Amino acid sequence: AQKVTQAQTEISVVEKEDVTLDCVYETRDTTYYLFWYKQPPSGELVFLIRRNSFDEQNEISGRYSWNFQKSTSSFNFTITASQVVDSAVYFCALSEALDNQGGKLIFGQGTELSVKP
Amino acid sequence: DGGITQSPKYLFRKEGQNVTLSCEQNLNHDAMYWYRQDPGQGLRLIYYSQIVNDFQKGDIAEGYSVSREKKESFPLTVTSAQKNPTAFYLCASSTFRAPNQPQHFGDGTRLSIL
Repeated sequence: AQKVTQAQTEISVVEKEDVTLDCVYETRDTTYYLFWYKQPPSGELVFLIRRNSFDEQNEISGRYSWNFQKSTSSFNFTITASQVVDSAVYFCALSEALDNQGGKLIFGQGTELSVKP
Repeated sequence: DGGITQSPKYLFRKEGQNVTLSCEQNLNHDAMYWYRQDPGQGLRLIYYSQIVNDFQKGDIAEGYSVSREKKESFPLTVTSAQKNPTAFYLCASSTFRAPNQPQHFGDGTRLSIL
């Protein structure tokens, strides 16, 4: 069965600290896609990154970096030198290629990040 | 600017009443989706549509209905059969229905019971 687990419900850090948000997934599919979304207080989800199951190369985008490890079924997200504007709920999501609904996203429960000044 | 517009932002439902949430996109996307978000939970798929005049049930379709008469519009009706409608509803769209396509989301509608 497919599942996404974000074990950290809430994280609170002080500005400029580094923080890592954990994401563990379960799937039987060999081809799948992983996503991270940010949900600021305004409510809309903002797409951050997509990674496919064949590409384990880590990615860095400014202060954001992602560590994909198939061996541990994890796709963790690190924010370096956090800022108050990073405060939001972050969702990890999985999409399976063979799922007959194609395009269906399975979301984790979300991690609420609070960055204090 | 292209995007997804959801209205209203806040909606109140009386007992036994049907209410309709609007979702309009000008991104020229083929696929559209409706999600429900409850506190402390991830998003759950209610309905999705990959093309005009076609839609499919998601994981929690009971008590909801949709239509897709135009490519740009995908309204969601919360019927009186939905006994626990209080939630945050998010509409999304993607270029087409495929597992690798990022979905773009609207600002959401918060529905409460009067």
